[in-house]
Amino acid sequence: QSALTQPASVSGSPGQSITISCTGTSSDVGAYNYVSWYQQHPGKAPKLMICDVSNRPSGVSNRFSGSKSGNTASLTISGLQAEDEADYYCSSYTSSSTLVVFGGGTKLTVL
Amino acid sequence: QVQLQESGPGLVKPSETLSLTCTVSGGSITSYYWSWIRQPPGKGLEWIGYIFYSGSTNYNPSLKSRVTISVDTSKNQFSLKLTSVTAADTAVYYCARCGYSYNYPSYYYYYMDVWGRGTTVTVSS
Repeated sequence: QSALTQPASVSGSPGQSITISCTGTSSDVGAYNYVSWYQQHPGKAPKLMICDVSNRPSGVSNRFSGSKSGNTASLTISGLQAEDEADYYCSSYTSSSTLVVFGGGTKLTVL
Repeated sequence: QVQLQESGPGLVKPSETLSLTCTVSGGSITSYYWSWIRQPPGKGLEWIGYIFYSGSTNYNPSLKSRVTISVDTSKNQFSLKLTSVTAADTAVYYCARCGYSYNYPSYYYYYMDVWGRGTTVTVSS
């Protein structure tokens, strides 16, 4: 069982917007603005999409945005494209001895 | 730009030790933390631990008794050893560079901004 909770799947049509949630606790997501999001296509390594809750690394499309409220972080993808179909993982710094925790992942299907 | 490449045996027998190396190219291994992460077949990501170029380490408590991460700055490499493996250790193993945020007076190393392609390790007799 993953430390952070994500929906198993979400879907949307091209051009639409979707949001993936990531729920943690007051020891991780709720305590720090240190949440990151990763995109993983089948058979590929994860790619960093968001760090520090809402910062996009250089080269990441501005269609990807992040936010946080309380113990829940969110990744929003606007203007869905076929290439966005992938698994998405959230991660957070935690005050526990684990230091880094991941969510279980969300499969995004572009209809 | 910085690139990472994992190497090591793809098949390990139960109860033996899994050993992997990550070679860093296009940049120096100094001044960063370096992580190992694994992903069992069809499952999510699990952080194994990380090491600073100076040798300071942090491990996932769930694996701490079996894990050792080491660094060789002269070769620009860092390594993973996982002892007493079982079938549950079968996974794709990734090495990655750790990014950080700074909030005075602490640095928070928690996200992975550069990843290797991953290497599949199967535990089987």
